[in-house]
Amino acid sequence: QKEVEQNSGPLSVPEGAIASLNCTYSDRGSQSFFWYRQYSGKSPELIMFIYSNGDKEDGRFTAQLNKASQYVSLLIRDSQPSDSATYLCAVRTSYDKVIFGPGTSLSVIP
Amino acid sequence: DAGVIQSPRHEVTEMGQEVTLRCKPISGHNSLFWYRQTMMRGLELLIYFNNNVPIDDSGMPEDRFSAKMPNASFSTLKIQPSEPRDSAVYFCASRKGQGGYEQYFGPGTRLTVT
Repeated sequence: QKEVEQNSGPLSVPEGAIASLNCTYSDRGSQSFFWYRQYSGKSPELIMFIYSNGDKEDGRFTAQLNKASQYVSLLIRDSQPSDSATYLCAVRTSYDKVIFGPGTSLSVIP
Repeated sequence: DAGVIQSPRHEVTEMGQEVTLRCKPISGHNSLFWYRQTMMRGLELLIYFNNNVPIDDSGMPEDRFSAKMPNASFSTLKIQPSEPRDSAVYFCASRKGQGGYEQYFGPGTRLTVT
């Protein structure tokens, strides 16, 4: 089992819809969880991080964490064409390594 | 503030040649990470340093790869000899403090080995 897994994608949603991105992780002792956005040819940039169970909202983005299920998700409300990118889930494991998932490609159709 | 600086941005070299990638972390950040990204394998952690000391190099693919951090403002990743399968984008990232702080990525070095 890979340490961090994500929807294989690509995911296509119409403009204005909600995009839902999912991530599971294997290390039950993991403490910190990050969502990075990466545009084609660019470096990853952090958009959300979450430490505690539950939801964390920042503008159009909501991160959800369920440690019992070892599951973290990212919701993007009112999706815009500019949200089209690859979204990387990253997990800081119990041995202090940050492991990235393979990424999910999101395409927002105007 | 300047972000993470990497050089060169692009490198094309022939198989067997030595390649050196360079990174200058953000001032005040004490953790530095080297990643490799390919379509097939995604973003892989190669090695990370804390306070200039290598903490985990288990991601370094083989002895052809080596990394150094002689001081808080400079790190190198060296491949000797290079092979076509080393072709990838290599990212350097830095972080302030340990634990759950954000990593800031440099622009990356696109390496092509022919």
